[in-house]
Amino acid sequence: SQQGEEDPQALSIQEGENATMNCSYKTSINNLQWYRQNSGRGLVHLILIRSNEREKHSGRLRVTLDTSKKSSSLLITASRAADTASYFCAPGTGGFKTIFGAGTRLFVKA
Amino acid sequence: GAVVSQHPSWVICKSGTSVKIECRSLDFQATTMFWYRQFPKQSLMLMATSNEGSKATYEQGVEKDKFLINHASLTLSTLTVTSAHPEDSSFYICSARDSPEAFFGQGTRLTVV
Repeated sequence: SQQGEEDPQALSIQEGENATMNCSYKTSINNLQWYRQNSGRGLVHLILIRSNEREKHSGRLRVTLDTSKKSSSLLITASRAADTASYFCAPGTGGFKTIFGAGTRLFVKA
Repeated sequence: GAVVSQHPSWVICKSGTSVKIECRSLDFQATTMFWYRQFPKQSLMLMATSNEGSKATYEQGVEKDKFLINHASLTLSTLTVTSAHPEDSSFYICSARDSPEAFFGQGTRLTVV
């Protein structure tokens, strides 16, 4: 298992705008997952992208993966106030443990 | 996705007492569950890996005698905070793996007074 590093640490945007957050990791992965955590709540699994995939969509979410740069990005389109949360990436190397970085705190202003 | 239920969602206890938190996988069997701890505005810190039918594996710096983990069945793991102190006040979250995805409980807010 390894830890992903999210960037930026914090992001503040207006409702309707797009939000982009990035994740970098250090060694080869099998997959990478993104999670959301609303304040004071558990984590919600958003999307999983495998190492042989370059892009994946789920509703307003778009995830890209560039294994050559060891990075991933999460794009939330047409953001809503309800998207306000912390977002974490979790690179998977086949081990069972999920190790989290500091996350990106997204604040969407209504 | 799969459902992981954590109970209680919040608990207040007196210093010196013990508190048990339950984590259940409702619609899948989880041979491995994980316990995390999160301080305000910080990330989740992995405390231990709970394996069904065997001893838990603790991360470095986590006191195994303080945080007792029991994974008695494929759908239930428990974390007992023994002799709790105010510094143990935190948000505790469990997760269960339905490979390759991990699913998380809602978390338990523990306040020790």
